[in-house]
Amino acid sequence: KQEVTQIPAALSVPEGENLVLNCSFTDSAIYNLQWFRQDPGKGLTSLLLIQSSQREQTSGRLNASLDKSSGRSTLYIAASQPGDSATYLCAAPGQAGTALIFGKGTTLSVSS
Amino acid sequence: DTAVSQTPKYLVTQMGNDKSIKCEQNLGHDTMYWYKQDSKKFLKIMFSYNNKELIINETVPNRFSPKSPDKAHLNLHINSLELGDSAVYFCASSQESALNTEAFFGQGTRLTVV
Repeated sequence: KQEVTQIPAALSVPEGENLVLNCSFTDSAIYNLQWFRQDPGKGLTSLLLIQSSQREQTSGRLNASLDKSSGRSTLYIAASQPGDSATYLCAAPGQAGTALIFGKGTTLSVSS
Repeated sequence: DTAVSQTPKYLVTQMGNDKSIKCEQNLGHDTMYWYKQDSKKFLKIMFSYNNKELIINETVPNRFSPKSPDKAHLNLHINSLELGDSAVYFCASSQESALNTEAFFGQGTRLTVV
């Protein structure tokens, strides 16, 4: 059964710092992994989808990596800004890929 | 255009009532989902439908009944609402199963049972 863990649970950084959010998953037989952002009281916004054939995926200041063998993914945020403050969720397909299984998220706070 | 839309956005109701949440996606996707986000913000899959057929039914009380009139709609009906049903419910869709395609989420429905 797929389980997804995210550390840290919360992170506070000053503006401009580069930071890394970690995600681990127990079932490495995945075809992809997806990172989302959730602002307070809002829905989920898809940030990056990494296919298992890819090692990295980039979008602007965001870079996500995937290492299936170790069951890990990281989300790298460069030059963080206050507008990056949100909860970041990692999700991997569950049994038979029928639905995404989510971690509990990392709540990021970037101060100006 | 909103890709995945849910109505209502907020729902406040009394214990024991029956309520429905509607979801529509205009992405032409084959698979739709309902997730529940509890007070600790943890998202958990409830149901998954592929081409109007139930694929996943997690350990959800049978008071919850999804209905898919067509593959663009997946509604959630809840009978005899309880206090513990208070949560944010998210609808989502993907082209195929979560196996290899990107999932898109609605804005959520905040259900409060009083």
